[in-house]
Amino acid sequence: GAVVSQHPSWVICKSGTSVKIECRSLDFQATTMFWYRQFPKQSLMLMATSNEGSKATYEQGVEKDKFLINHASLTLSTLTVTSAHPEDSSFYICSVRTGRINQPQHFGDGTRLSIL
Amino acid sequence: GENVEQHPSTLSVQEGDSAVIKCTYSDSASNYFPWYKQELGKRPQLIIDIRSNVGEKKDQRIAVTLNKTAKHFSLHITETQPEDSAVYFCAARPDSGGYQKVTFGTGTKLQVIP
Repeated sequence: GAVVSQHPSWVICKSGTSVKIECRSLDFQATTMFWYRQFPKQSLMLMATSNEGSKATYEQGVEKDKFLINHASLTLSTLTVTSAHPEDSSFYICSVRTGRINQPQHFGDGTRLSIL
Repeated sequence: GENVEQHPSTLSVQEGDSAVIKCTYSDSASNYFPWYKQELGKRPQLIIDIRSNVGEKKDQRIAVTLNKTAKHFSLHITETQPEDSAVYFCAARPDSGGYQKVTFGTGTKLQVIP
């Protein structure tokens, strides 16, 4: 069964709208969650690493004020795309990992964001 | 940081033939190497992984080999079937220190022709 639940699966909205994406760990406590962005026909690019109870760590070139990440509990992390523009249209995927080392990452089903 | 290169970018094989995808990595600290299969519009799914203390791992028609000295690893799919058609990503990750983030390769689009 699904280990990670991500919602919504598809969002279409107007430019300037803020969009919140939720990532929930269903079967275990996820101390670390990762947010990826994938443009068509490209690889997964890590945007940020989200740690429960602390500030997220953003990859170089990712605007932290644009992509707000909150990891308030061991089962929920949210990504908010603020004032979204057409160039933010992409496939956003979260993944979770338990606190134990040597464990694989589990991915959510992704959110396809289309900004008009 | 880690850099993972993957080749080829596209691969077409006849059903029943074998497919090989190769990856190289740059960070000697990486010691965990998963492979993911992603169908169009869906999430990546882990199909096999290998750790640096192992040179080869096999799971039915899928095998992965690792040459830690040369920093390269490969995915081998035998007796390919149309349902194997997808994009495959290799990845590398250190298992100690930091947040253990995964670095993905650029992907290989595999097409299995019936």
